[in-house]
Amino acid sequence: AQSVTQLDSQVPVFEEAPVELRCNYSSSVSVYLFWYVQYPNQGLQLLLKYLSGSTLVKGINGFEAEFNKSQTSFHLRKPSVHISDTAEYFCAVTSWGTSYGKLTFGQGTILTVHP
Amino acid sequence: DADVTQTPRNRITKTGKRIMLECSQTKGHDRMYWYRQDPGLGLRLIYYSFDVKDINKGEISDGYSVSRQAQAKFSLSLESAIPNQTALYFCATSDSGTEQYFGPGTRLTVT
Repeated sequence: AQSVTQLDSQVPVFEEAPVELRCNYSSSVSVYLFWYVQYPNQGLQLLLKYLSGSTLVKGINGFEAEFNKSQTSFHLRKPSVHISDTAEYFCAVTSWGTSYGKLTFGQGTILTVHP
Repeated sequence: DADVTQTPRNRITKTGKRIMLECSQTKGHDRMYWYRQDPGLGLRLIYYSFDVKDINKGEISDGYSVSRQAQAKFSLSLESAIPNQTALYFCATSDSGTEQYFGPGTRLTVT
């Protein structure tokens, strides 16, 4: 079975400050990892994904994430946030075997950027 | 035009009513999914379909049923709606089994 835990339900931050949104996963087999963003009253949009290769993954809007297999983590970072980054962020995992093709989502982290 | 569309976008219904949510996609993907989103719980998988003849239950399928009418269409039904089915519902598609593409969502309220 696979699972995802997002360690912070809400993260407030000031504009131009750095931010890290934390995600830990659990799976007994190889995984693919994703971060999605949901702006108010919209659907989910893919920010970035880790499928294989380099453990540092760069996504849209200046976000990046690092896959750490030993710590089973996939934390999302941005060096300088903007007001427009205010949204809910979801970490998700799919893995080989019976769970392949099914995404399991974390509970979500609401990022609020203050001026 | 959007690649994944959902109708209706908003719906208010009464307890006990049957309701259908529809999803259409123009991406040509074989795999389609239905999720519900509740505050603090993230998205949970209701049903998924890997092709027209394949339907599978997700983690929270009780009280729901689905129909895959064609490669492009996947409908979710609530046979007898109850208030705790009030939620935001998303349809998604995938070609590879990894990345999924989401529709805009349907906000359902059961009174």
